[in-house]
Amino acid sequence: EVELVQSGAEVKKPGESLRISCRGSGYSFADYYIAWVRQMPGKGLECMGRIDPRDSYTSYSPSFQGHVTILVDKSVSTAYLQWSSLKASDTAMYFCARLGNWNDLDSWGQGTLVTVSS
Amino acid sequence: EIVMTQSPLSLPVTPGEPASISCRSSQNLLHGNGYNYLHWYLQKPGQSPHLLIYLGSNRASGVPDRFSGSGSGTDFTLQISRVEAEDVGVYYCMQGLESPLTFGGGTKVEI
Repeated sequence: EVELVQSGAEVKKPGESLRISCRGSGYSFADYYIAWVRQMPGKGLECMGRIDPRDSYTSYSPSFQGHVTILVDKSVSTAYLQWSSLKASDTAMYFCARLGNWNDLDSWGQGTLVTVSS
Repeated sequence: EIVMTQSPLSLPVTPGEPASISCRSSQNLLHGNGYNYLHWYLQKPGQSPHLLIYLGSNRASGVPDRFSGSGSGTDFTLQISRVEAEDVGVYYCMQGLESPLTFGGGTKVEI
């Protein structure tokens, strides 16, 4: 069974750094891109970007380019989403998802809630 | 980027009755391979989204056959033949043709 397990909720202050994780299991991790999706409180879904675990090639949505970094360590089947300096506006639920053969997001993590507040 | 527009924003439904959601894209989603790169997701309250329909009309594994997808090019429809109480939540369409992947704004289905 394909499973994506994300790290737990985080509470941070503005300006702090953060890295959240997404570990895949039940499939060949290197064979599928991982995407990150943001959902701000009460809002819809936004794709932030994606990464190829084979070579760490990343593609960011223009709205998120330069604001976050997507990383992967295929040796532990884990993708990461990283901020160097958080803002209050980064408060959101973040989902990782596996990018399927048809560019569909065919399996999703449980979500990581990030709260940024002074 | 491709803009996805859903309607309605909110859809009150009655159990046992049909329901329909529309999704329109700003660009043609028909790939040269003949497939429409349009996918549908359901996010039930308090849960992660999950895939319902891929490539416009194919039900994902485990999805009941009361769900169906149709359409081509820029206009797509998700239909529920007979709504059940467990179908409440927010439905999203998403295009997978071009980066960045983009979602519609969502349709909230409630009893």
